[in-house]
Amino acid sequence: AQKVTQAQTEISVVEKEDVTLDCVYETRDTTYYLFWYKQPPSGELVFLIRRNSFDEQNEISGRYSWNFQKSTSSFNFTITASQVVDSAVYFCALSEVGGALGANSKLTFGKGITLSVRP
Amino acid sequence: DTGVSQNPRHKITKRGQNVTFRCDPISEHNRLYWYRQTLGQGPEFLTYFQNEAQLEKSRLLSDRFSAERPKGSFSTLEIQRTEQGDSAMYLCASSSGSIPEAFFGQGTRLTVV
Repeated sequence: AQKVTQAQTEISVVEKEDVTLDCVYETRDTTYYLFWYKQPPSGELVFLIRRNSFDEQNEISGRYSWNFQKSTSSFNFTITASQVVDSAVYFCALSEVGGALGANSKLTFGKGITLSVRP
Repeated sequence: DTGVSQNPRHKITKRGQNVTFRCDPISEHNRLYWYRQTLGQGPEFLTYFQNEAQLEKSRLLSDRFSAERPKGSFSTLEIQRTEQGDSAMYLCASSSGSIPEAFFGQGTRLTVV
């Protein structure tokens, strides 16, 4: 069975601070996908990033960066120079790679981290 | 493309009544997913369709729940004889088979009184 743990529940920072959101996962699959989604107060889950388990290269996209460590089953997400608009609940999620039917977006989510960015 | 659309956005119903929610996925996406999210928790998978075929159902989907996607386009989720424990946000998502990202609608918030 798959499991995602987000140990942090709430984080509060002042605007322009960097903030890192932690994620630890469990899976028996050898290949899988990891995701970060953002849920603002409006309720819609917004896709942010995806990482394939078979590619450990860490990347930066604008103010977002992520650190994937397969050896420790962690997939941490960093927002640089946080802004008030970043205030939301952030979810880490895991899915299997899928087979002949194609990529599978059946996601296992963590409980989420509420990020508050103060002006 | 306007993204995934869900209707209604909010539904208040009395215990024991039946409710139906609708989801219109992104037009070129052949996969459609339903999730349920309760307060303070992450979304939990309920079921998914590839085109019109329902390929998987979670144990969370009791006999009172039924989902359909009759023509492989929009989908409906019906809850019969609602209970207070059914109060939650019901989220719909869609994806293509070529990439794993799912794109979500704004959800339908159900309150059973």
